Amino acid sequence: DTGVSQDPRHKITKRGQNVTFRCDPISEHNRLYWYRQTLGQGPEFLTYFQNEAQLEKSRLLSDRFSAERPKGSFSTLEIQRTEQGDSAMYLCASSLGAPSENEKLFFGSGTQLSVL
Amino acid sequence: GESVGLHLPTLSVQEGDNSIINCAYSNSASDYFIWYKQESGKGPQFIIDIRSNMDKRQGQRVTVLLNKTVKHLSLQIAATQPGDSAVYFCAENIRDMRFGAGTRLTVKP
Repeated sequence: DTGVSQDPRHKITKRGQNVTFRCDPISEHNRLYWYRQTLGQGPEFLTYFQNEAQLEKSRLLSDRFSAERPKGSFSTLEIQRTEQGDSAMYLCASSLGAPSENEKLFFGSGTQLSVL
Repeated sequence: GESVGLHLPTLSVQEGDNSIINCAYSNSASDYFIWYKQESGKGPQFIIDIRSNMDKRQGQRVTVLLNKTVKHLSLQIAATQPGDSAVYFCAENIRDMRFGAGTRLTVKP
């Protein structure tokens, strides 16, 4: 499978714990995006990377959230001191990412986080 | 059947009928739009895209129409099938892809 892969598919944690999700984009894609989706809503943009550089962060991304893409390939999203309101599907997407070109995003299947 | 996007988030059609899903976008500067399909438990899947210099684009069984004057986008699905049942999102590209709330399409056999 050469699509975007995310791990784990499901994560159940207790409030206050830290969690980390991983995303492996399509191999030749330079841009990587993180979105959050709650039930009945569209995906909400969190942040994106052009290679290893984090170029934009939404104000939804509180200081408890941190994302990295250290070598410009896979990315991790960490949530510290999780809260029940963090429960959502976390989606990763990638694109070829040539600047100033509009390109479609390819999504992974997401990580479903449940904070108890 | 026809939906009005955010005002009617559910659309139910008979198998074989044509479906029309509507979407109003927010930013007149948006120059690229995509329709995504999302099935339960999966990430959004690309259906069709359109750039702002076009009014219409056709794919296999799907057509996207863009009306920049009223900032309106629609997705037409011909001969709707049970496998088309899903939530459909329109997305506009400003600096990054921004999604609408979606419309749930249910196809009745």
